[in-house]
Amino acid sequence: EIVLTQSPATLSLSPGERATLSCRASQSVSSYLAWYQQKPGQAPRLLIYDASNRATGIPARFSGSGSGTDFTLTISSLEPEDFAVYYCQQRSNWPPTFTFGPGTKVDIK
Amino acid sequence: QVQLQESGPGLVKPSETLSLTCAVSGYSISSGYYWGWIRQPPGKGLEWIGSIYHSGSTYYNPSLKSRVTISVDTSKNQFSLKLSSVTAADTAVYYCARHAPTRAMVDYWGQGTLVTVSS
Repeated sequence: EIVLTQSPATLSLSPGERATLSCRASQSVSSYLAWYQQKPGQAPRLLIYDASNRATGIPARFSGSGSGTDFTLTISSLEPEDFAVYYCQQRSNWPPTFTFGPGTKVDIK
Repeated sequence: QVQLQESGPGLVKPSETLSLTCAVSGYSISSGYYWGWIRQPPGKGLEWIGSIYHSGSTYYNPSLKSRVTISVDTSKNQFSLKLSSVTAADTAVYYCARHAPTRAMVDYWGQGTLVTVSS
């Protein structure tokens, strides 16, 4: 089973600052990695799929990079609505099973 | 616009079976994609439970496989989850979701429903 590790657990930043979130897989997942944003009381929202593709309607300040075992989600300039928890998720090619990372909370400094 | 809506009891007794249904609108399940269940215990992270393809093929989280059954009813455009022998550890918000067949991409989620396991 592939295990995902996210760091840091909490990131305290101010609006306008750059956020860099890391996700590491215990073995290669190729580019089968997605990022989600979750706010309290809401379902997760897809931000990035297949490591670097922005989902429909996602602002350009969100970008994803990486392949293999190391991935990064970057928010270039934090907006007030970006303070939330972010999860990475990998998908195994076959069978189509998947796992989530433990999450990174981005809170206001 | 694809929409998913979970329904089912909000309270289940220990050792009983949790049953939830997800009604899909705006897209025909028979047209493709995987349809799955994901849960989130209060204050904790996300856990994939399992998924079903429109053909009926199922894929389960190995840690839950012995207790999980996911089925699909294409005539009603809905799919269902059964989780047997529940304990307090199964208390969570349960989400139904759609995910792509060839991508890492859960693109549509239900709003989630809280299921509490308690006597």
